[in-house]
Amino acid sequence: KQEVTQIPAALSVPEGENLVLNCSFTDSAIYNLQWFRQDPGKGLTSLLLIQSSQREQTSGRLNASLDKSSGRSTLYIAASQPGDSATYLCAVSNDYKLSFGAGTTVTVRA
Amino acid sequence: DGGITQSPKYLFRKEGQNVTLSCEQNLNHDAMYWYRQDPGQGLRLIYYSQIVNDFQKGDIAEGYSVSREKKESFPLTVTSAQKNPTAFYLCASRGSGSYWTDTQYFGPGTRLTVL
Repeated sequence: KQEVTQIPAALSVPEGENLVLNCSFTDSAIYNLQWFRQDPGKGLTSLLLIQSSQREQTSGRLNASLDKSSGRSTLYIAASQPGDSATYLCAVSNDYKLSFGAGTTVTVRA
Repeated sequence: DGGITQSPKYLFRKEGQNVTLSCEQNLNHDAMYWYRQDPGQGLRLIYYSQIVNDFQKGDIAEGYSVSREKKESFPLTVTSAQKNPTAFYLCASRGSGSYWTDTQYFGPGTRLTVL
């Protein structure tokens, strides 16, 4: 059974600092790894998707890396802003199914 | 605007009642999913449907039921057999493209509270 772990569970940084969020998974037979953002009481918004054959994906200030052999992914958010405050969830895809981590709740202090 | 709608946003259930959560999508997606989210935990899959008139149990299906009579609709019923139903429920859909590249699109969620 796929297990997905996110560390740390919560993170608080001053505005302008770079964010580093970690995700690990136990079964490397994945189609892709995805990062989502969730605002309080809301649904999930897709941020980045990295196919299993890729090493990284970038979108604006966001960069995600994937090391499938070691079962790890890292999401980097450059020059954080208060609007980046949210919970970030990592999920890995095994055919029809997404397995989610519990998320990292980020607070960016102005 | 294409997307997924869920209703109601908040739902209260008394002990012994069945309640139904609505999920509708206009993305023309074949696959639809129901997840449950509890504080401090990741999303857990309740049921999924890859095509109309077909659905399968996920990891935590006990106490829940679904139907898929129309492509755009995938309602979830929380039955009285579900002993701890208080949670945030999320519906999602996925297109019929590749598992390698397709993401899931999520609705805004329904918060269910047992009184």
